[in-house]
Amino acid sequence: DAGVIQSPRHEVTEMGQEVTLRCKPISGHNSLFWYRQTMMRGLELLIYFNNNVPIDDSGMPEDRFSAKMPNASFSTLKIQPSEPRDSAVYFCASRWTGASNQPQHFGDGTRLSIL
Amino acid sequence: AQKITQTQPGMFVQEKEAVTLDCTYDTSDQSYGLFWYKQPSSGEMIFLIYQGSYDEQNATEGRYSLNFQKARKSANLVISASQLGDSAMYFCAMEAHGNQFYFGTGTSLTVIP
Repeated sequence: DAGVIQSPRHEVTEMGQEVTLRCKPISGHNSLFWYRQTMMRGLELLIYFNNNVPIDDSGMPEDRFSAKMPNASFSTLKIQPSEPRDSAVYFCASRWTGASNQPQHFGDGTRLSIL
Repeated sequence: AQKITQTQPGMFVQEKEAVTLDCTYDTSDQSYGLFWYKQPSSGEMIFLIYQGSYDEQNATEGRYSLNFQKARKSANLVISASQLGDSAMYFCAMEAHGNQFYFGTGTSLTVIP
């Protein structure tokens, strides 16, 4: 079975550029989560969606970050303009909420470096 | 407020020995779930084991077991017969408020040959 698919795996870009991270959740999962992981701050939840609707975006750092989920099989996280402090690994995870014992399934992450 | 605490930043264990990774949680919810994840140096997050707040038996999955002490609000992960491939970061997480996950800061485990 295909897991959560994230692209790109690595992204290196210059400060001020727009960055778009993409995620395809596991088919049938109805929740999607975006996380950011750094050594200093650990794993931070940025935003999550239920049935394509954003539920909690309180973790989004600032207006430079935006996330969309236009349909059940695709989500994007956009940073515009990017800054060096945005350098991190960004994870997308999906989950089926039909049973309480279901874990979040993580993608392999996007390693983002802003120069 | 929901909170997960992992107080051991780093742990060492001899190969083939057992090791316990600590996790305490804080929630006012009666219904919640506890999850453990493994993150090897390659970076992916791998789900290991789940314990529900109403489960009376401790969860087990192969060499992983969860020592769940509800009154103490602890959910420690026990890895038996450690292997070199167990060297990784381990994260405890709690699901509360319906679908919201709270992660701890992680414990780095090193298995010594």
